[in-house]
Amino acid sequence: RKEVEQDPGPFNVPEGATVAFNCTYSNSASQSFFWYRQDCRKEPKLLMSVYSSGNEDGRFTAQLNRASQYISLLIRDSKLSDSATYLCVGYNAGNMLTFGGGTRLMVKP
Amino acid sequence: IAGITQAPTSQILAAGRRMTLRCTQDMRHNAMYWYRQDLGLGLRLIHYSNTAGTTGKGEVPDGYSVSRANTDDFPLTLASAVPSQTSVYFCASSPSGGAANEQYFGPGTRLTVT
Repeated sequence: RKEVEQDPGPFNVPEGATVAFNCTYSNSASQSFFWYRQDCRKEPKLLMSVYSSGNEDGRFTAQLNRASQYISLLIRDSKLSDSATYLCVGYNAGNMLTFGGGTRLMVKP
Repeated sequence: IAGITQAPTSQILAAGRRMTLRCTQDMRHNAMYWYRQDLGLGLRLIHYSNTAGTTGKGEVPDGYSVSRANTDDFPLTLASAVPSQTSVYFCASSPSGGAANEQYFGPGTRLTVT
């Protein structure tokens, strides 16, 4: 079982929609989590860190649920430019970043 | 330059050949990493270095070696390439190793081993 798991999608949504992705992790000792964004044939880039109390950055909201060991990313008012693959990232038992397989989002006009 | 550069951008390599992927950063980051990305498997850590002069093994180190002679450079060598090493390789760096550090990625090297 992978230490960080995501639904690969794709999630196909219309512009303006709200969409949410979940990601589950197995290492209960993980302290830090992130969401990265990866455009097609490009490198991953940090979208946002995930804080215990939840955090918001514009249209993006990240939540952490330690009891159920999942993190979520909510995107409001989706834009065409949000189309990308979103990578959930946690830490493994060796204290190294471990990436989920990514969730692909396609926002349609 | 600003950030991380990787070379080559892409390469087709015959099986059994030796190949070194280059990675250079100018951010004076202490930690550097090599990942491979394969469809359905996501990014997997090959090797890492928390500071110049030290290296460590990641999740999939077999068939690869690294060196960290200085802060800026972190080359990845395939001593004798095999087709299963066909992948996209990303180099990354962070200010220091361990938790709570954003990693900055290079543009990647697409390697095909035939």
